[in-house]
Amino acid sequence: QVQLQESGPGLVKPSETLSLTCIVSSGPISGFYWNWIRQPPGEGLEWIGNVYHSGTTNYNPSLNSRVTISVDTSKNQFALKLTSVTAADTAIYYCARRMNTPMGNYLDFWGQGILVTVSS
Amino acid sequence: IQLTQSPSSLSASVGDRVTITCRASQGIRSYLVWFQQKPGKAPKLLIYGTSTLQSGVPSRFSGSGSGTDFTLTISSLQPEDFATYYCQQVNSYPLTFGGGTKVEIK
Repeated sequence: QVQLQESGPGLVKPSETLSLTCIVSSGPISGFYWNWIRQPPGEGLEWIGNVYHSGTTNYNPSLNSRVTISVDTSKNQFALKLTSVTAADTAIYYCARRMNTPMGNYLDFWGQGILVTVSS
Repeated sequence: IQLTQSPSSLSASVGDRVTITCRASQGIRSYLVWFQQKPGKAPKLLIYGTSTLQSGVPSRFSGSGSGTDFTLTISSLQPEDFATYYCQQVNSYPLTFGGGTKVEIK
């Protein structure tokens, strides 16, 4: 069973860069799109973007200019960088795998999530 | 593409039939997914492709719809079903989620 685990600082200062890593275990990173999703405390889900194993990326335009998602296939992991953070970026950040089938694609495996707080 | 879920919350009893609606601002064919989320946990995939049950999901869950209007139905609500449910469209980027429906105990 594929497992994903987010890691990174739980506290980031305003205007700095949020950096998270998601390690993929018990499964290949090749052949899939790898996603980041966030959820402010007590609120709904927001898709941030994804990266294919080849490095191709898709981003949410609401965050586009501040987001970079990258993949390291040699380490079976992918990463999120979000620049110029504010308190509005405080959220639980999830990584997830996108599965493709003839009936469509879907996020089937998720990490447990990591709470990142933006505060001085 | 905006997804509007209704209701935003509901109270129901064990054994009740529950229906949640998700409306898309434009057609998304059948590319609609449903998740269940419990407090402190990551979302869990229930249904993809509008109506295909993910492996291991009880058959009391079902999905239907196409185009812009979709529903998630729980045929007989069980204690473990009290949670928040989200729809997500995977027809086009950016992927978007509905605002969620919280199912509470009556």
